[in-house]
Amino acid sequence: DTGVSQNPRHKITKRGQNVTFRCDPISEHNRLYWYRQTLGQGPEFLTYFQNEAQLEKSRLLSDRFSAERPKGSFSTLEIQRTEQGDSAMYLCASSLAGQGRNEQYFGPGTRLTVT
Amino acid sequence: QQQVKQSPQSLIVQKGGISIINCAYENTAFDYFPWYQQFPGKGPALLIAIRPDVSEKKEGRFTISFNKSAKQFSLHIMDSQPGDSATYFCAASKGEAAGNKLTFGGGTRVLVKP
Repeated sequence: DTGVSQNPRHKITKRGQNVTFRCDPISEHNRLYWYRQTLGQGPEFLTYFQNEAQLEKSRLLSDRFSAERPKGSFSTLEIQRTEQGDSAMYLCASSLAGQGRNEQYFGPGTRLTVT
Repeated sequence: QQQVKQSPQSLIVQKGGISIINCAYENTAFDYFPWYQQFPGKGPALLIAIRPDVSEKKEGRFTISFNKSAKQFSLHIMDSQPGDSATYFCAASKGEAAGNKLTFGGGTRVLVKP
């Protein structure tokens, strides 16, 4: 399978715990995006990387959130001291920037439930 | 401020009918307009996309119509099938210099009745 993969697919955690999600993009893609989707809504942009550089963070991304893409391949999204409002689907997407190409391909998402 | 408005929120269509979903945007800096299909528990899948320099794009049973002056675009699903029952999202992005990050509409839940 050469698509975007995300792990875990589901995560249940208690309020106050830390969680980390992983995204493996399509192998030749240099851009990686994180979005958050709550029930019944469209995805909302959180942050994106070009290679290993984090180029933009949404104001939705509070100080409790941190994302990395250490070698320009996979990425991790960590949420510290989780709150019930963090419950959502966290989606990762990747694309090949340059030459006017915009297509973003999404992974299956990680559904987070904070109890 | 909702930059991409999508309607209707839901629609029911008979098998073989046409599903039409509309989106309107505010920011004229948007220059790429994709549509995504999402099934429950899955990530969005790219269906079809258009740029403002064309007024229509067709891929199989899916057609995007684009009206730059009205800042509106729509998705037509021809010969709708039960397997098309899903939530559809329009989106827009401002281009590579702005990171191509997508701004999504609120989604339309489509139910195709057999």
